[in-house]
Amino acid sequence: GAVVSQHPSRVICKSGTSVKIECRSLDFQATTMFWYRQFPKQSLMLMATSNEGSKATYEQGVEKDKFLINHASLTLSTLTVTSAHPEDSSFYICSASGFSGEKLFFGSGTQLSVL
Amino acid sequence: AQSVTQLGSHVSVSEGALVLLRCNYSSSVPPYLFWYVQYPNQGLQLLLKYTTGATLVKGINGFEAEFKKSETSFHLTKPSAHMSDAAEYFCAVSERGYQKVTFGTGTKLQVIP
Repeated sequence: GAVVSQHPSRVICKSGTSVKIECRSLDFQATTMFWYRQFPKQSLMLMATSNEGSKATYEQGVEKDKFLINHASLTLSTLTVTSAHPEDSSFYICSASGFSGEKLFFGSGTQLSVL
Repeated sequence: AQSVTQLGSHVSVSEGALVLLRCNYSSSVPPYLFWYVQYPNQGLQLLLKYTTGATLVKGINGFEAEFKKSETSFHLTKPSAHMSDAAEYFCAVSERGYQKVTFGTGTKLQVIP
């Protein structure tokens, strides 16, 4: 089956620094990628949707200047958390779908801890 | 708008007992419905999905779910729990195929030996 690779799996950073998370589709072309955030004991909340070559569409309440999403190729999307603060500590998960939009594959997630 | 309600944030069953995880949904159009499983510090794995056709859907690891439109439910069942089933389970709904999926708050399944 299709594989989505997400790196890093865990990152610890100091407050005020920026962190980049990568999401790669390994054996299919991901026309659309989704970024989710999951706080402890809560469900996944969609942050943004990105289509290759286009600007990401952010969900209400998500700061687009803080969570920069780039989807420059059909196999790679990145999420950069700029000037991270402790409240940004969370589990971030990407998912990707191909041209047909008929399947959705999830990455293994990134646990971000901001000190 | 679409939404998902999962009844019970924690469910405990004995090994070998029936597993029943409840999910009710709300959707303005015929929905796509999903069950995902998440193991600690891992991403989500699709257990099963309902799109159209047969309302009883069989998934991986012996799980199945039945779409009941009249009850707006999509409960997940497994006849006999195994220790390896201990995980968190998320019900999800989508009104546009596999795009824009909305997840429930999850149910953590504990299997007691």
